[in-house]
Amino acid sequence: DQQVKQNSPSLSVQEGRISILNCDYTNSMFDYFLWYKKYPAEGPTFLISISSIKDKNEDGRFTVFLNKSAKHLSLHIVPSQPGDSAVYFCAAQKGSSNTGKLIFGQGTTLQVKP
Amino acid sequence: NAGVTQTPKFRVLKTGQSMTLLCAQDMNHEYMYWYRQDPGMGLRLIHYSVGEGTTAKGEVPDGYNVSRLKKQNFLLGLESAAPSQTSVYFCASRGIMGNQPQHFGDGTRLSIL
Repeated sequence: DQQVKQNSPSLSVQEGRISILNCDYTNSMFDYFLWYKKYPAEGPTFLISISSIKDKNEDGRFTVFLNKSAKHLSLHIVPSQPGDSAVYFCAAQKGSSNTGKLIFGQGTTLQVKP
Repeated sequence: NAGVTQTPKFRVLKTGQSMTLLCAQDMNHEYMYWYRQDPGMGLRLIHYSVGEGTTAKGEVPDGYNVSRLKKQNFLLGLESAAPSQTSVYFCASRGIMGNQPQHFGDGTRLSIL
């Protein structure tokens, strides 16, 4: 029972274009969502997050959109750069959690071509 | 500015051997976590701790034990390693207040032959 799903294992875009990574979830109790970026041989690094009281959060080239009715979030990277090539994980946390536990998606490998 | 440090970085074990993975954080975080990452599976929670002296099971705890004797350290033990435990193990920590991200170490790549 995968509560957080990233249905696209990989994505390839040209440098300068927009990258859109998608994530779906099934549990309506999730109310805090995060995106992590992971390079090979390194740990995941936090990228951006969004609370369920918002539908959009921006940080520089990165924007996360949340559609609660569809149980869907997406990460937009504009413009994409070769250094953005990495694996991206979305993660979700239940609002009632007093443990900070996260449920992760399977990850999407982004390749940005020069 | 070390953050979360995991040791060792690589290890090869034979089936049946035991070992302990060490995680240390210098951010005074209350919460600590152990994950494993396998191809196509994302990160799955093995065990976690919400404070010194406390531990709890995560999604995939079988075959692992943990201890949190000091706030800054979280140990993951494999008592009798099995090939199915070949994986990359990540430790993470976070503070207690509100919504905040977990901070990860760089992982331990473990191979069980």
